[in-house]
Amino acid sequence: DAKTTQPNSMESNEEEPVHLPCNHSTISGTDYIHWYRQLPSQGPEYVIHGLTSNVNNRMASLAIAEDRKSSTLILHRATLRDAAVYYCILRYVFRGSTLGRLYFGRGTQLTVWP
Amino acid sequence: NAGVTQTPKFQVLKTGQSMTLQCAQDMNHEYMSWYRQDPGMGLRLIHYSVGAGITDQGEVPNGYNVSRSTTEDFPLRLLSAAPSQTSVYFCASKGTGGTDTQYFGPGTRLTVL
Repeated sequence: DAKTTQPNSMESNEEEPVHLPCNHSTISGTDYIHWYRQLPSQGPEYVIHGLTSNVNNRMASLAIAEDRKSSTLILHRATLRDAAVYYCILRYVFRGSTLGRLYFGRGTQLTVWP
Repeated sequence: NAGVTQTPKFQVLKTGQSMTLQCAQDMNHEYMSWYRQDPGMGLRLIHYSVGAGITDQGEVPNGYNVSRSTTEDFPLRLLSAAPSQTSVYFCASKGTGGTDTQYFGPGTRLTVL
């Protein structure tokens, strides 16, 4: 399974944009890039995912490099509630569906200062 | 819609005891899985199921059993608890459609003395 590399920690001030990087140099053509986050004492929650094109949703934006070897999760205006561990995960698509297996690394601990 | 529920929230066991962690989902999801999370680590997959009657091993299956008799429930059994199984356990589910989003339960914090 393709691996991802993320910084251990990042910091931001409230209401500033945050760019969380992820390297996935061994990504295959069928791997989707997923981001989940885990708030303190909670289970992970889905943030966003994409394959090749940049993606936006109400929580964040996902910018994917043209060669797909890296991606960046963008939080446009960080809030205190965004303080969490962010996981960048690759998924394998088989026969039109993933096998549902998520491989979590240690993720990036985001600290947001008021 | 309750989503994914887990019971109990906390549990303390003695070495050698057995117990079952319960997981249920009300979203009619085919896929369910169990993860464990140790301090400072990401989640590791224990077992998963792609539908009723079908289960398979993940990365760290030793010491755990699962079964899937219904779509809704996916219990995780610890046969003989060991201190190394002290961890937080998360259950997750997803549908088979293209959205691919996994929904996680709130977790069970297990301590084995």
